[in-house]
Amino acid sequence: DVKVTQSSRYLVKRTGEKVFLECVQDMDHENMFWYRQDPGLGLRLIYFSYDVKMKEKGDIPEGYSVSREKKERFSLILESASTNQTSMYLCASSLLTSGKLLNEQFFGPGTRLTVL
Amino acid sequence: GENVEQHPSTLSVQEGDSAVIKCTYSDSASNYFPWYKQELGKGPQLIIDIRSNVGEKKDQRIAVTLNKTAKHFSLHITETQPEDSAVYFCAASAMNTGFQKLVFGTGTRLLVSP
Repeated sequence: DVKVTQSSRYLVKRTGEKVFLECVQDMDHENMFWYRQDPGLGLRLIYFSYDVKMKEKGDIPEGYSVSREKKERFSLILESASTNQTSMYLCASSLLTSGKLLNEQFFGPGTRLTVL
Repeated sequence: GENVEQHPSTLSVQEGDSAVIKCTYSDSASNYFPWYKQELGKGPQLIIDIRSNVGEKKDQRIAVTLNKTAKHFSLHITETQPEDSAVYFCAASAMNTGFQKLVFGTGTRLLVSP
């Protein structure tokens, strides 16, 4: 059974704290993604990675950074958390096709982050 | 960049009825259109997808249609059941620095009443 796990289901942090969200997949996928989900806005791509130590900015990268030191692990970092980063964060992974085309993304259960 | 609009935002149907969710996209270069279902407390899960070289795809009670000329695609669920109740997201592909990415719609909350 394929699996994407996220380190926490719920997280409460204070403004200005450095926050790490961890994601691990056991499917040997090359691609990994971080999205945030907000009511009325759907899912928005923050960053993605197509290989170890590689990263690409998505649509809303400001205030975030990422790290991919191992193929199975993709971390999202909030350098200095702010209240407008309160959201549901979803990690996903997918296979890299030969033509770099998209295919099924497998999502983790999400981390609901509250920044006070 | 790509923009995906999804309607309606909420949809209530009786068990056994059909449900239709519609999406429009802006980038004529988009060529991949998946639909995801998100149940309460879970991450989204792919239920069906379509590529631009076909106009319709079916999988049991679920079908997706694509009109590339009009730039819209739709999800059709027939004989709805209470377990179909969830939030559904459409998405369209877009290019991002040489790699494809997905741009998601804003979601439709489907409620199927017994």
